[in-house]
Amino acid sequence: DIQMTQSPSSLSASVGDRVTITCQANQDINDYLNWFQQKPGKAPKLLIYGASILETGVPSRFSGSGSGTDFTFTISSLQPEDLATYYCQQYDNLPLTFGGGTKVEIK
Amino acid sequence: EVHLVESGGGLIQPGGSLRLSCVASGFNISDKYMNWVRQPPGKGLEWVSFIYAGGTTYYAESVKGRFTISRDKSKNTLYLQMNRLRAEDTAVYYCATSFHLNHSPLSSNFWGQGTLVAVSS
Repeated sequence: DIQMTQSPSSLSASVGDRVTITCQANQDINDYLNWFQQKPGKAPKLLIYGASILETGVPSRFSGSGSGTDFTFTISSLQPEDLATYYCQQYDNLPLTFGGGTKVEIK
Repeated sequence: EVHLVESGGGLIQPGGSLRLSCVASGFNISDKYMNWVRQPPGKGLEWVSFIYAGGTTYYAESVKGRFTISRDKSKNTLYLQMNRLRAEDTAVYYCATSFHLNHSPLSSNFWGQGTLVAVSS
């Protein structure tokens, strides 16, 4: 199975800050990487797929980059509504696997 | 309009069985790769099972031999039959699918709201 290591597990930042989350796979996943946002009590929402492709309707302050095994998710200017937990997921191989999540809090 | 609505969750004793349903509207599930993902309370996401458009099925090792994914085209409904349930199966179960164009169907960009399964005596 492909292991996804996501960091940090939590962070606290101020409105307007730039926020960065990293995700590392233990093998090449051919850029088949998703980033999800999950708000409390809600289903995950896909923000980025293919490592860097912004899902339709998602604000442009969200972005993804990276290739091979190392990936980065960025919120360019944190907004109050971005309070959530963010997960990376590889879909290069079954079983699909997720990172452990990053809880983003607003200072 | 597209919808996925899960149901069938509840409190069940260890060793028991439960069948989850995911009713789809606005599209035909037989044309899609459909999957189940679960989330234990307060924990992260875990992929459970896939059924491909052609009918091939795949399972996580943790549920293989106990869970069965299936679909009923006439009811446009996806199912997850869960047998020999364990405490560690306690989770919110989501069904999900992909509406991507020209991209892997294993990337799910449409999810239901989830149904809670609690396995406890």
